[in-house]
Amino acid sequence: GIQVEQSPPDLILQEGANSTLRCNFSDSVNNLQWFHQNPWGQLINLFYIPSGTKQNGRLSATTVATERYSLLYISSSQTTDSGVYFCAVEPWASDSWGKLQFGAGTQVVVTP
Amino acid sequence: NAGVTQTPKFRVLKTGQSMTLLCAQDMNHEYMYWYRQDPGMGLRLIHYSVGEGTTAKGEVPDGYNVSRLKKQNFLLGLESAAPSQTSVYFCASSYPKSGTNTGELFFGEGSRLTVL
Repeated sequence: GIQVEQSPPDLILQEGANSTLRCNFSDSVNNLQWFHQNPWGQLINLFYIPSGTKQNGRLSATTVATERYSLLYISSSQTTDSGVYFCAVEPWASDSWGKLQFGAGTQVVVTP
Repeated sequence: NAGVTQTPKFRVLKTGQSMTLLCAQDMNHEYMYWYRQDPGMGLRLIHYSVGEGTTAKGEVPDGYNVSRLKKQNFLLGLESAAPSQTSVYFCASSYPKSGTNTGELFFGEGSRLTVL
């Protein structure tokens, strides 16, 4: 099956710093989403981005589908950005439609 | 509008017992999913369904069964619980990616299961 690798596994930031999280995937994808899991375990969808660039406030994401990677940018980080960031992909193959698989995540800690 | 609701939120089982986790969504989504989350391993797909009456295996289906008799409900069953099934289970749902639908995934709050 498709492999999803996220880096770095852990990230410690001082409040106000910028950072980039990366998601590599091993095959063509039909769907790519980024999620944030807060310290209370709640999972929130950040972006649906199988290709191109999107921005939402201090967060933005870019996916280069031909090179099989996606980047999530956090600018001017705040303590509320702490948590785990996941990338999830759905393979392009028709026998895998709907099969959305997650990477292992990047644990982000933002310190005051 | 409740979104995705999982019951129960917490459960403790003894090895060999059976139980069913219920997921209900009120967004008329076609797709539904069950994931398990273990420390350091992200979310792993157990089973999923692309429509009422259909189910498919994910990455870690062994030891679990599912049913999707109604569009709004997706049940996850453990016939004979094992300590290795101690985990946090998340249900999710989405529209299929087509037309203006992005396939954005919506999650329930999770169910913490401990098997002794």
